[in-house]
Amino acid sequence: EAGVAQSPRYKIIEKRQSVAFWCNPISGHATLYWYQQILGQGPKLLIQFQNNGVVDDSQLPKDRFSAERLKGVDSTLKIQPAKLEDSAVYLCASSLGQWGAIANTGELFFGEGSRLTVL
Amino acid sequence: SQQGEEDPQALSIQEGENATMNCSYKTSINNLQWYRQNSGRGLVHLILIRSNEREKHSGRLRVTLDTSKKSSSLLITASRAADTASYFCAGGGGSEKLVFGKGTKLTVNP
Repeated sequence: EAGVAQSPRYKIIEKRQSVAFWCNPISGHATLYWYQQILGQGPKLLIQFQNNGVVDDSQLPKDRFSAERLKGVDSTLKIQPAKLEDSAVYLCASSLGQWGAIANTGELFFGEGSRLTVL
Repeated sequence: SQQGEEDPQALSIQEGENATMNCSYKTSINNLQWYRQNSGRGLVHLILIRSNEREKHSGRLRVTLDTSKKSSSLLITASRAADTASYFCAGGGGSEKLVFGKGTKLTVNP
């Protein structure tokens, strides 16, 4: 079974530029998550999708971050404009989830992450 | 949210020794999950223990859960250099999102 795919693996940009990350979850997984992990810290949830609907985006800085999950499969996370403090690894994860469930209680499968450096 | 807080923040042991990490959480959970993260990689699920379970084993891993104390421990027996990684816990279930703590950074010296 193929794992969670993310791209690009590394990205270096200047502040105020924009960047987009892509995630392809495991086939059949209804729930998709984007986490931000700053060096030395644990992953922080930015947004959670159940199919193509947003379940939780309470910690997403909506003035600069946006995410979408078209057709309930792939997802993109965009940052525009980027700030120095956005330097982090952006992790995508997916889980089986249940249709209609608010949150999934099972195992999360993570991608390798996209490392962003903002100069 | 079900934030896990791991203790200690860092642990250094010799190969062959056992490593114990602890986790505390604040509110009721349906399950408690442990993950491992090798440097520069994504998180990998290790084990899930449900709220009605007290202990669970998987290979060299032993997890305990004490819901009365809102705490869990992860024991890695006969550690290997390849176990060097950061370990995270997170509580899950109900309408609460899965939230990770800062992790325990384990170093196993050969």
